[in-house]
Amino acid sequence: ETGVTQSPTHLIKTRGQQVTLRCSSQSGHNTVSWYQQALGQGPQFIFQYYREEENGRGNFPPRFSGLQFPNYSSELNVNALELDDSALYLCASSLRDSVSEQFFGPGTRLTVL
Amino acid sequence: AQSVTQLDSQVPVFEEAPVELRCNYSSSVSVYLFWYVQYPNQGLQLLLKYLSGSTLVESINGFEAEFNKSQTSFHLRKPSVHISDTAEYFCAVSDAKYDKIIFGKGTRLHILP
Repeated sequence: ETGVTQSPTHLIKTRGQQVTLRCSSQSGHNTVSWYQQALGQGPQFIFQYYREEENGRGNFPPRFSGLQFPNYSSELNVNALELDDSALYLCASSLRDSVSEQFFGPGTRLTVL
Repeated sequence: AQSVTQLDSQVPVFEEAPVELRCNYSSSVSVYLFWYVQYPNQGLQLLLKYLSGSTLVESINGFEAEFNKSQTSFHLRKPSVHISDTAEYFCAVSDAKYDKIIFGKGTRLHILP
């Protein structure tokens, strides 16, 4: 059984640029959630995808967008990067039910200069 | 809206001593409660969870947490810590409907030799 994987592991961008982060779900999981973890903070929920549609969103602006593909992998896109977007971005996969456990990937460390 | 408060940002404790990491939550609906652990430069791992039933839940590595509905608390305890327990611990609550997780800001457990 393959766990959740994320790519790239590290990324450096400049303000105003766009970035795409990728996540592969654990085998058999159909739901992907994305979280932003700023330095010294707990993860904050960005959004969740189920069956290729957004299914819940946290307090993040529209320049944060995502996709889920038929194989349940997912992308997080951030446009017009700001310095405050520097963070660890975590992807978690799960089965869509009310008590499912979310399995987290190792994260992508994004630095915006 | 749900929220999680971790009362201590850092907890220093001597090796083999007991430890308690405090967590309080607020929610207007039934919740599921979690403790996640994040080792240095790694992603999040589920330590233990409360979904229903017995209010005392245990992990495989000696941690336990007790759900106290009247005090809206879910404190994490271990009777004897080891140097390998050095990590950041996050208390979290889940909204069962959307399955997103709301995290606290974390407590850094620092084991003293």
